[in-house]
Amino acid sequence: DIQMTQSPSSLSASVGDRVTITCRASQSISRYLHWYQQKPGKAPKLLIYAASSLESGVPSRFSGSGSETDFTLTISSLQREDFATYYCQQSYDSPITFGQGTRLEIK
Amino acid sequence: EVQLVESGGGLVQPGRSLRLSCTASGFTFGDYAMSWVRQAPGKGLEWVSFIGNKASGGTTEYAASVKGRISISRDDSKSIAYLQINSLKTEDTAVYYCTRGLGALDYWGQGTLVTVSS
Repeated sequence: DIQMTQSPSSLSASVGDRVTITCRASQSISRYLHWYQQKPGKAPKLLIYAASSLESGVPSRFSGSGSETDFTLTISSLQREDFATYYCQQSYDSPITFGQGTRLEIK
Repeated sequence: EVQLVESGGGLVQPGRSLRLSCTASGFTFGDYAMSWVRQAPGKGLEWVSFIGNKASGGTTEYAASVKGRISISRDDSKSIAYLQINSLKTEDTAVYYCTRGLGALDYWGQGTLVTVSS
């Protein structure tokens, strides 16, 4: 199975900060990498697909980059509603696997 | 508007079986693969299973952790996907989400909680 490792596992930041979360795959996954946001008690929401494509309706402050094994999710200017847990997920090979999550908290 | 609504969860004893349902609306259900993802309390996301659309022959795949105990199926005439879980274990306790797709999972249901306990 392809292992997905996110860093950091948790992060404290302030409104207005620029934040970057990284995701590393245990082998090359081309650009079959997707990012999700999950708030407490809610289902995950797709933010970015295919490494860098913004899902419809997602604010442009979210962006994704990377290929092969190394990927990043960047939030350019944190808003209060962005405090949540973020997951990366690969769909290059079965089984689909997720990173362990990055919890973004208010400083 | 795309909607996915799960049902069928609840409290069940170890060793028993459960069938979860996912009722879809707002899109042509038969055109899409469907997946199930679960989340144990306080833990991360774990993909469980997917079923391809009719065009793909309805291919199914299962996570190793549940293979042999889980069966996924679909009824395109009713726009429902099912997840049958047999021989339930305490470690199957989780919120089970129905999702659309098998690459990027673009729509998720609200989840149904399965609690396995004696």
